[in-house]
Amino acid sequence: EPEVTQTPSHQVTQMGQEVILRCVPISNHLYFYWYRQILGQKVEFLVSFYNNEISEKSEIFDDQFSVERPDGSNFTLKIRSTKLEDSAMYFCASSLTGTDGTEAFFGQGTRLTVV
Amino acid sequence: RKEVEQDPGPFNVPEGATVAFNCTYSNSASQSFFWYRQDCRKEPKLLMSVYSSGNEDGRFTAQLNRASQYISLLIRDSKLSDSATYLCVVNRRDKIIFGKGTRLHILP
Repeated sequence: EPEVTQTPSHQVTQMGQEVILRCVPISNHLYFYWYRQILGQKVEFLVSFYNNEISEKSEIFDDQFSVERPDGSNFTLKIRSTKLEDSAMYFCASSLTGTDGTEAFFGQGTRLTVV
Repeated sequence: RKEVEQDPGPFNVPEGATVAFNCTYSNSASQSFFWYRQDCRKEPKLLMSVYSSGNEDGRFTAQLNRASQYISLLIRDSKLSDSATYLCVVNRRDKIIFGKGTRLHILP
């Protein structure tokens, strides 16, 4: 069964460093998403991406964040200068379409710890 | 008002009981609706889609009322393995919004 894969599963980084979280969405999917979940809190929308551009982003997704689909298979989330409060589980998801009842499939997540 | 609101929980119910989860959404432009399940420190996984006509999958029944912007999930004959957080999810054109989730503990 096709699945969304994320690497690494756990990343520890020092405050102020840049991190890149990687995702390989399901191959025929067209919509890609990043979410984060701070421990014990809700799953929060960060950004959606379609047709090689951001289609929607939340207020969390500020200038420190960027996304890219560099090669047609990977979908990356970059955090330029990490803060302690960026520590969270980051989930990538993909869906066949953005609407019409098609569900999103989630990767297993990258646990980011900023120290 | 939050875009997707759920019962705060947690629900602690004995094995075999019936459990009902409620969810409301605020944006009438929302287009599709789902229940996801999340186990501790794992990714959300689709449990079922929700349609106005209602849909059933074994012990699970989901219902959508667009007029009142209300979504429900019923679990019958609950099992220990049903213990998890249940997430109400609303898709609004390129943005999938999660409720905070309701934690369910099934007691032996």
